[in-house]
Amino acid sequence: DSGVTQTPKHLITATGQRVTLRCSPRSGDLSVYWYQQSLDQGLQFLIQYYNGEERAKGNILERFSAQQFPDLHSELNLSSLELGDSALYFCASSRGRITEAFFGQGTRLTVV
Amino acid sequence: DAKTTQPTSMDCAEGRAANLPCNHSTISGNEYVYWYRQIHSQGPQYIIHGLKNNETNEMASLIITEDRKSSTLILPHATLRDTAVYYCIVSFPVSGNTPLVFGKGTRLSVIA
Repeated sequence: DSGVTQTPKHLITATGQRVTLRCSPRSGDLSVYWYQQSLDQGLQFLIQYYNGEERAKGNILERFSAQQFPDLHSELNLSSLELGDSALYFCASSRGRITEAFFGQGTRLTVV
Repeated sequence: DAKTTQPTSMDCAEGRAANLPCNHSTISGNEYVYWYRQIHSQGPQYIIHGLKNNETNEMASLIITEDRKSSTLILPHATLRDTAVYYCIVSFPVSGNTPLVFGKGTRLSVIA
């Protein structure tokens, strides 16, 4: 158990819909990262937050957005869903510099 | 883009040492080498990281060449549970503005 909690574990939704994925980081970790893993793309970095502020942005679509709340949990919002958005979405957290990141078990999103 | 080159796949007999190589010829002076693994769609798991000295922990050893252009992850006594995709990543310390960028990794199969 990494200490990073992601909910829900599985999500099935229709095209055009909007979903919210939730991540609770390890206690004391200020940074949260979101990754997308689809079969043909591998692990793709989406976005990073540090203590509530956006720190880095990767290949995140405009239909996707995220935020980190004062209690440090984070949410990834995916809207106007397409079939190609079906993937595993991972959240990771870390404490500070020169430290490792811990990943949650992911949310498997299936868009039908 | 990933800055590392790893073999696509490797096999290792159970109980033997697994030596996973990684080339990172463009590594800069203050970039670290990180190793993670992912067991069948679970969240990636941190293994070890290092800057220039060899490192060892309860999971593995990391050997970095003197010129820092390559490294080897050593699992001293591989078990079937070590079957996974192993990622070698070069990055500045986590929690800066440079998140971990995953390449395709090495698929290690431990064979009984």
